[in-house]
Amino acid sequence: GAVVSQHPSWVICKSGTSVKIECRSLDFQATTMFWYRQFPKQSLMLMATSNEGSKATYEQGVEKDKFLINHASLTLSTLTVTSAHPEDSSFYICSASGTTGGGSYEQYFGPGTRLTVT
Amino acid sequence: GQQLNQSPQSMFIQEGEDVSMNCTSSSIFNTWLWYKQDPGEGPVLLIALYKAGELTSNGRLTAQFGITRKDSFLNISASIPSDVGIYFCAGFTSGTYKYIFGTGTRLKVLA
Repeated sequence: GAVVSQHPSWVICKSGTSVKIECRSLDFQATTMFWYRQFPKQSLMLMATSNEGSKATYEQGVEKDKFLINHASLTLSTLTVTSAHPEDSSFYICSASGTTGGGSYEQYFGPGTRLTVT
Repeated sequence: GQQLNQSPQSMFIQEGEDVSMNCTSSSIFNTWLWYKQDPGEGPVLLIALYKAGELTSNGRLTAQFGITRKDSFLNISASIPSDVGIYFCAGFTSGTYKYIFGTGTRLKVLA
């Protein structure tokens, strides 16, 4: 399967500061990248979908001004949590998707970033 | 957000036993995917299904894409301790280009 990296793997920040998380597809060109949020013992909740070179599409209830997404290239997407608050503490996971041979759409996940806001 | 119904929610099994879990939806999907997630890590793709009725195996894992395109199941044969983890199904629709995840099945294997 394809490899997706995510950096940092964990981060602790103070309330009111901003944090940037990077997601890279290492061995394929990702036409689309997704950002998910996962609370303990729960499933993944889609936050937004981003396509290279265009604005991200946010899911209902996700504040686009708080969670800034940039998809600058076919291998890199970033999520910036602005003015972070303790309730933003969570496990953030990115994924990348692109067509494999035969037109199949498979989604590969990064290892996740654990954000703790103090 | 929307989630798919996945059952069972959790299960304890003895090593060597077979495991079966399923995922149902009120919507039709073009693709069904099954993932395994270990604690503190991202999900890892196990099996991808692209056609209604398709039955696909990956080692001890077998998954099927339901005929109605609204459900899928995953079987694990002869479970081993490293099968412990959370298994998620995901449905994909090319029209919306979204992956919708199931609620997860937490598997614990007793040696």
